[in-house]
Amino acid sequence: EAQVTQNPRYLITVTGKKLTVTCSQNMNHEYMSWYRQDPGLGLRQIYYSMNVEVTDKGDVPEGYKVSRKEKRNFPLILESPSPNQTSLYFCASSLIAVSTDTQYFGPGTRLTVL
Amino acid sequence: AQSVTQLGSHVSVSEGALVLLRCNYSSSVPPYLFWYVQYPNQGLQLLLKYTSAATLVKGINGFEAEFKKSETSFHLTKPSAHMSDAAEYFCAVSESDSWGKLQFGAGTQVVVTP
Repeated sequence: EAQVTQNPRYLITVTGKKLTVTCSQNMNHEYMSWYRQDPGLGLRQIYYSMNVEVTDKGDVPEGYKVSRKEKRNFPLILESPSPNQTSLYFCASSLIAVSTDTQYFGPGTRLTVL
Repeated sequence: AQSVTQLGSHVSVSEGALVLLRCNYSSSVPPYLFWYVQYPNQGLQLLLKYTSAATLVKGINGFEAEFKKSETSFHLTKPSAHMSDAAEYFCAVSESDSWGKLQFGAGTQVVVTP
């Protein structure tokens, strides 16, 4: 089954404790991205990757890191989480072109930073 | 610069009634426009997208949207609401053929009453 998986689905942590949220897709997609969803703000892009070893900042990259060492995986790293990073996070993947392709979203990771 | 505005953060509609969700955009070039749906505790799913072909776009689950350049609008409609349409809906815009430039609206929560 074609899918985007994220782990963990729920995470409660404390300020400053490094964490990683994993994202994996099985569709051989070049493009992957991370979004955060906050009430009243919709989804905002954190980072995206057009292919292996190619990453770029989205609209809200501060406090986050990513890496793309393999085509299927795109982990999101919070080196020192803070309470303002409490949010619902989504990973997405697609082929390259908006005009012809569809973006697939993972089920989300709800993160609480105390 | 591109932006997207969804009018109404919450919409209540009776089962069987018309569903109308409003989306206005700003873009300096002909945009790509999208509607996504998010069911509770799930990721986003594409309903439909406009890519400069037909101005009336038909999507899944009986939804459609009309691109009106003169009004810079891309409103989503469904003739007859079903209980299963209760969800959050997001409008999104991209000025380029790159997923990295996709920008979402704040979302509209739809409640369907019997």
